[in-house]
Amino acid sequence: AQSVTQLGSHVSVSEGALVLLRCNYSSSVPPYLFWYVQYPNQGLQLLLKYTSAATLVKGINGFEAEFKKSETSFHLTKPSAHMSDAAEYFCAVHMDTGRRALTFGSGTRLQVQP
Amino acid sequence: DTGVSQDPRHKITKRGQNVTFRCDPISEHNRLYWYRQTLGQGPEFLTYFQNEAQLEKSRLLSDRFSAERPKGSFSTLEIQRTEQGDSAMYLCASSLGTGTYEQYFGPGTRLTVT
Repeated sequence: AQSVTQLGSHVSVSEGALVLLRCNYSSSVPPYLFWYVQYPNQGLQLLLKYTSAATLVKGINGFEAEFKKSETSFHLTKPSAHMSDAAEYFCAVHMDTGRRALTFGSGTRLQVQP
Repeated sequence: DTGVSQDPRHKITKRGQNVTFRCDPISEHNRLYWYRQTLGQGPEFLTYFQNEAQLEKSRLLSDRFSAERPKGSFSTLEIQRTEQGDSAMYLCASSLGTGTYEQYFGPGTRLTVT
């Protein structure tokens, strides 16, 4: 079975500070990994994806994530937080086992303090 | 804009009533997914279509739920005899069929059962 764990349901940073949102996955096969962002009362927007081409993945809005197989992690980072980054962030995994669904973590709400 | 669209955005209904939601995927996408998201949680997979064929259903999809995609384009999700526990955000997503796994989400339909 596949699962995704996001450590920290709430993260608060100051504007301009480093953002680090944690995601660990469990998988018996090489996974495809995604980060999505959700603003209030909206759907999910794809931030970035890992599909085995490169371990460091750059996404939109200055976010990036690094796939570390040895740690089964795919943490999301941004060097300098902006007020507009305040949102809910979801890590998701797809495993190439024939199932088409994404499995999501429970999300991390990012607050950015002025 | 040619993203995924969903209608209605909000639905308030009384317990026991039937409701139907519509999803229009990105036009060239042949895969369509329905997810349910409750407060404070990540989306949970309900069902998946490839063209008009419903290929996968979650155990979350009780007998009161039915989904269709009659011509391989838009899809509908119907909930019969709604219960208060059905209150959630219902998200639709679509994806290309060949070798990519990222899914693009619509804005969701928020259902409130009173």
